[in-house]
Amino acid sequence: DVKVTQSSRYLVKRTGEKVFLECVQDMDHENMFWYRQDPGLGLRLIYFSYDVKMKEKGDIPEGYSVSREKKERFSLILESASTNQTSMYLCASRSPGQGREKLFFGSGTQLSVL
Amino acid sequence: QQQVKQSPQSLIVQKGGISIINCAYENTAFDYFPWYQQFPGKGPALLIAIRPDVSEKKEGRFTISFNKSAKQFSLHIMDSQPGDSATYFCAASLFWGNQFYFGTGTSLTVIP
Repeated sequence: DVKVTQSSRYLVKRTGEKVFLECVQDMDHENMFWYRQDPGLGLRLIYFSYDVKMKEKGDIPEGYSVSREKKERFSLILESASTNQTSMYLCASRSPGQGREKLFFGSGTQLSVL
Repeated sequence: QQQVKQSPQSLIVQKGGISIINCAYENTAFDYFPWYQQFPGKGPALLIAIRPDVSEKKEGRFTISFNKSAKQFSLHIMDSQPGDSATYFCAASLFWGNQFYFGTGTSLTVIP
């Protein structure tokens, strides 16, 4: 089965730090996503990448950027972390063709910004 | 604007009972409606999904009911088990689109 691996399960950072969240998938999927999960708000899309070096903004891209230099790796970057970015971050991938209906999620990174 | 509204926020059901979670969507162009199940410490996983050409889809104890005219769909879990205790998210999308719009989630607890 597809494996989506997020590099850190828990992360604690200070306000103003630059933060990198890494995600790797092993199924050669073109599409990769970064979501933010907050209680009472569900999952909200931050950025989407449909192929290497290609990206689109989601619903809440402010304060975030992404990098997709290799097909299997999608990084989320917080340029200057703020306390309101304390959240659970979920990476997902999928095939753009057959099987596109299924998102495969990583286990998430719980980020705390102090 | 919340594209998909989900209720209830939390649900407690006795073992063997029926769990029902409801969702409503705004965009009539949506044509794919999945449900995701998330256990603590894990990412969401696709549970069951429906396209609008049918009004119901059943997989084991899990059934989606879909009402296109009302723009509503619901998840029914029959014979609920403690192992079903998880957070459930509904979602809606254009099947060939790139964005899934998720509901706010329902925390289900099944009491033995």
